[in-house]
Amino acid sequence: GENVEQHPSTLSVQEGDSAVIKCTYSDSASNYFPWYKQELGKRPQLIIDIRSNVGEKKDQRIAVTLNKTAKHFSLHITETQPEDSAVYFCAASRTSGTYKYIFGTGTRLKVLA
Amino acid sequence: DVKVTQSSRYLVKRTGEKVFLECVQDMDHENMFWYRQDPGLGLRLIYFSYDVKMKEKGDIPEGYSVSREKKERFSLILESASTNQTSMYLCASYTGQAAGYTFGSGTRLTVV
Repeated sequence: GENVEQHPSTLSVQEGDSAVIKCTYSDSASNYFPWYKQELGKRPQLIIDIRSNVGEKKDQRIAVTLNKTAKHFSLHITETQPEDSAVYFCAASRTSGTYKYIFGTGTRLKVLA
Repeated sequence: DVKVTQSSRYLVKRTGEKVFLECVQDMDHENMFWYRQDPGLGLRLIYFSYDVKMKEKGDIPEGYSVSREKKERFSLILESASTNQTSMYLCASYTGQAAGYTFGSGTRLTVV
């Protein structure tokens, strides 16, 4: 069945360093890849997404890259800050039909001050 | 802003009880989803619905059913609660291409 693998499961970085989270998807028909951030005790919130017709998208300190051939996509956070500490989930979906998202298993990012 | 409301934040139920988890959205969205969240396993899809009375199984439907009698309300039902259903349950509503899913605040269910 459809599957999304996410690595690493935990990531600790020093404040100001960069963080990279990687995901691989199995459904070659997937064409939409959102990233969600879940702070402790809160609901997941969409932070950035990318569609299959682009290879990279950037929004201030966060960026996402997509390699459709390899079925890989990654989240990059630069100049990390303590408020970036959270669990991050990647997902893969098709932009038609049921809009079902298949999520990765999550990455707990800790930014050390 | 879209509101997705889950009726209970915390629930404690006994093994064998029938449990109802309610989710209501206020924007007439068609697609709604129930996920459970467990440490190390991420968000796993239980059931989803794309219209009133329409439903499909997700990846882990065993032990669950759903009801969508009205567009705004999507209910998850645990027919006979078991301890392995202790988890955080998240409801989501698909709000469109710009915003994707809006999640509810979650229900932490403990089955004892």
